[in-house]
Amino acid sequence: GAGVSQSPRYKVAKRGQDVALRCDPISGHVSLFWYQQALGQGPEFLTYFQNEAQLDKSGLPSDRFFAERPEGSVSTLKIQRTQQEDSAVYLCASSNGQFLDGELFFGEGSRLTVL
Amino acid sequence: AQKITQTQPGMFVQEKEAVTLDCTYDTSDPSYGLFWYKQPSSGEMIFLIYQGSYDQQNATEGRYSLNFQKARKSANLVISASQLGDSAMYFCAMREGGGSNYKLTFGKGTLLTVNP
Repeated sequence: GAGVSQSPRYKVAKRGQDVALRCDPISGHVSLFWYQQALGQGPEFLTYFQNEAQLDKSGLPSDRFFAERPEGSVSTLKIQRTQQEDSAVYLCASSNGQFLDGELFFGEGSRLTVL
Repeated sequence: AQKITQTQPGMFVQEKEAVTLDCTYDTSDPSYGLFWYKQPSSGEMIFLIYQGSYDQQNATEGRYSLNFQKARKSANLVISASQLGDSAMYFCAMREGGGSNYKLTFGKGTLLTVNP
């Protein structure tokens, strides 16, 4: 497709389980971002990739969160030993690398519910 | 301090009327960009409009315009001739210049409901 694709759209996990969320950015976009959106809040930055290089992971809440983009296209956000506070929508976005006035294209998000 | 403040949790407007969604921001960086995004119930964030800190004129995109008042640090979104499909969450966001200019900081959003 032409847009950013995320899967799964919905994930229910038991506390302590590991989850993996996938993002397929727009073809040719060098920049990829993950944001976390808690219920009733705006999205918050998690991490940023330029091609395969993870240039900023300062927003990752803990060392249970890990993101990768090994070939500079598809990215996976992995959450180990999930906790209830991890419940949120995880949004992936991509751009062509032009930042200050460049548009970010977002996917529809992966809604994670941890029981 | 909040970098982006949206003081209206919810707004109602009649179809075909105009509505203003408020946004104030806080930055000491002279170079920054302000964005508005729409988030319908499907969850996708849809880019609406952009205003650069050095832009002399207010940005416009179709029915959307941004009322940029730099001295007041406000960047209100004006939607003219509201349509039922405009019902959604609206987020104001900012990118600051400098080394982390790839990061967007979002406000908490305003839920707009357009009544028929």
